Amino acid sequence: ETGVTQTPRHLVMGMTNKKSLKCEQHLGHNAMYWYKQSAKKPLELMFVYNFKEQTENNSVPSRFSPECPNSSHLFLHLHTLQPEDSALYLCASSQGTSGSVYEQYFGPGTRLTVT
Amino acid sequence: LAKTTQPISMDSYEGQEVNITCSHNNIATNDYITWYQQFPSQGPRFIIQGYKTKVTNEVASLFIPADRKSSTLSLPRVSLSDTAVYYCLVGEGRYGGSQGNLIFGKGTKLSVKP
Repeated sequence: ETGVTQTPRHLVMGMTNKKSLKCEQHLGHNAMYWYKQSAKKPLELMFVYNFKEQTENNSVPSRFSPECPNSSHLFLHLHTLQPEDSALYLCASSQGTSGSVYEQYFGPGTRLTVT
Repeated sequence: LAKTTQPISMDSYEGQEVNITCSHNNIATNDYITWYQQFPSQGPRFIIQGYKTKVTNEVASLFIPADRKSSTLSLPRVSLSDTAVYYCLVGEGRYGGSQGNLIFGKGTKLSVKP
C-alpha cells in the first residue's frame, strides 16, 4: 500500500466513548500532522510531529491526545468528545527538515460524528 | 506569516483555461508559494510550488511577478473533474518555521460546468 492511509474512514461515537484514529504513511517521511476540517471551515492544524517528537500543539483541547510511536504511524486518541468535534480529521506527512514543509501528502480522512 | 487573499468562488466551462489569483502583499523573502487542490471529503493534494517567475508541471502553471505580492495558478483546459477547492499557501519552505506556518485559508471553490 502506498501513500498515506487512515482508519477508520467513518466513525460514530457517543460523548462518553473512547476511540482512536490511526494514520500510516508509506513514503519514508519524517514529519506527520493532524488536521481538523469542520463543515464549511478551513483546515485547522492540530498537531505536528517531527522524528516522533511533538513540535506543535495548536491549542487543542486535552480530549484529543496524539501519539506517534514511530515516523510511520500517528494516532489520535479521542475521549469525552463534544458534538462540535464532529468533523473530517485528516492526517498528512512530509519530508520534514530535509524538504519543503508545504509538500504535504494527505490521507483520505476519517469522518467523525459525535452523538 | 503572510496572509493570502483569494476569490471565494469561480465558475468555468469545460475546455477553458482557468486562472486563480492569490494576493500576498506581505510575503517574506524566505516564503514560497504553494497551491493545493481538495475534493469534497478528501484530503488536499499538492499541485505546485514556486518562489519566483514561472513554474510548470503536468497539472498546472504558477505565475509569480517580480514583486511576488501575488501569484496566479493556471489550469489549462479544465474538465468537470477539476471542480474542487484550491488553496494558496505562503510560508517558509523549510520546516522549523513559527507556529502558524501551516495555515490553509478558505480557498477558491472552482465549479466547472459542461
